[in-house]
Amino acid sequence: ILNVEQSPQSLHVQEGDSTNFTCSFPSSNFYALHWYRWETAKSPEALFVMTLNGDEKKKGRISATLNTKEGYSYLYIKGSQPEDSATYLCAPLNNAGNMLTFGGGTRLMVKP
Amino acid sequence: KAGVTQTPRYLIKTRGQQVTLSCSPISGHRSVSWYQQTPGQGLQFLFEYFSETQRNKGNFPGRFSGRQFSNSRSEMNVSTLELGDSALYLCASSSGQTSTGELFFGEGSRLTVL
Repeated sequence: ILNVEQSPQSLHVQEGDSTNFTCSFPSSNFYALHWYRWETAKSPEALFVMTLNGDEKKKGRISATLNTKEGYSYLYIKGSQPEDSATYLCAPLNNAGNMLTFGGGTRLMVKP
Repeated sequence: KAGVTQTPRYLIKTRGQQVTLSCSPISGHRSVSWYQQTPGQGLQFLFEYFSETQRNKGNFPGRFSGRQFSNSRSEMNVSTLELGDSALYLCASSSGQTSTGELFFGEGSRLTVL
């Protein structure tokens, strides 16, 4: 079982603010890193699956970077909107199976 | 394309009973994995099935079991229920054999054990 840490645990920002959170994971035997967004009363939805060191992925106002050598990933949200309010989860993998080890998540609340 | 379907959505059981939860993956997906979500522990991996074979297993007692059918539908069973088994059980499917494809989650089955 991997030790996955996400920080901060929760975050309150104003609409329009940009924000970022961190996911830390063991760098040994890295295979892939998943990011999910989980809105209240809905199912988790995939944001990114990243595999390469130095990789950067973007989806609209959300982007993520990956450093597999030091074992961390950053998720950035530019110009936060109330609809971005959700829990953001990261999950690294150290083998080819879909045995995701989720971090505790960062709960983002965006105030209008 | 229909999403991942889990049944039942809500159920209440008493201690000592057993429960079976069902998951129908997205058509064409061969991997189905199960997760337990509790307020204190977050999302924890239970097991994953690929082409009817259990490929990975999490750190849960033997009371938790699962299986996958030839049509990729999966069931999980919890026997001798305990109060601590009260949780949201999520199933997720993916298309590929490797873990570089995203998971698609169902809405979950919320189990309450009294």
